[in-house]
Amino acid sequence: DTAVSQTPKYLVTQMGNDKSIKCEQNLGHDTMYWYKQDSKKFLKIMFSYNNKELIINETVPNRFSPKSPDKAHLNLHINSLELGDSAVYFCASSQAIGDYEQYFGPGTRLTVT
Amino acid sequence: GNSVTQMEGPVTLSEEAFLTINCTYTATGYPSLFWYVQYPGEGLQLLLKATKADDKGSNKGFEATYRKETTSFHLEKGSVQVSDSAVYFCALSDRGSTLGRLYFGRGTQLTVWP
Repeated sequence: DTAVSQTPKYLVTQMGNDKSIKCEQNLGHDTMYWYKQDSKKFLKIMFSYNNKELIINETVPNRFSPKSPDKAHLNLHINSLELGDSAVYFCASSQAIGDYEQYFGPGTRLTVT
Repeated sequence: GNSVTQMEGPVTLSEEAFLTINCTYTATGYPSLFWYVQYPGEGLQLLLKATKADDKGSNKGFEATYRKETTSFHLEKGSVQVSDSAVYFCALSDRGSTLGRLYFGRGTQLTVWP
């Protein structure tokens, strides 16, 4: 009964390819997030959704497109992958927007060669 | 704007040593403050939080006190264990914001040797 799950856990692909990372939460939360963690462990928020509505869209290349088919899922699609996209991507969820604990998934390690 | 500054690591300690990881913040509103921990190969998990000045958050022997006068939220533990080896992130949320985002520090790697 994992709270926030992501697939795949590891993703190795070549430059120029298109890939997706899936995220699901079974906590009944309204809000979901995508973070990117670089090799120095720095965490940067990319997107957040609340009830399937985009709330935060940080300055990320438009090759990155989130999709929320329902409240429990937030997927991340990446087009035309570049070497600099290599990182660990974390999905998270919280009860609602605001002062709530965020629950993180285990991460997806993306390696672009 | 909102930002969090943490002491740079890595921090290396022997078991049972005292731990302090410094965290200071800048906030436009009235933030809540958090410490998250990331164990190797895992996602982040909440360690403790404090929502108003002079509040003390505590969990698993870790403590941090919300100091508004010094804009700080330092993490402390009296006696660390090998199992505490992880990356620790200080974070704040601006409760006045409708975005609900967390602002993270850069993380501090802690390694505890037996």
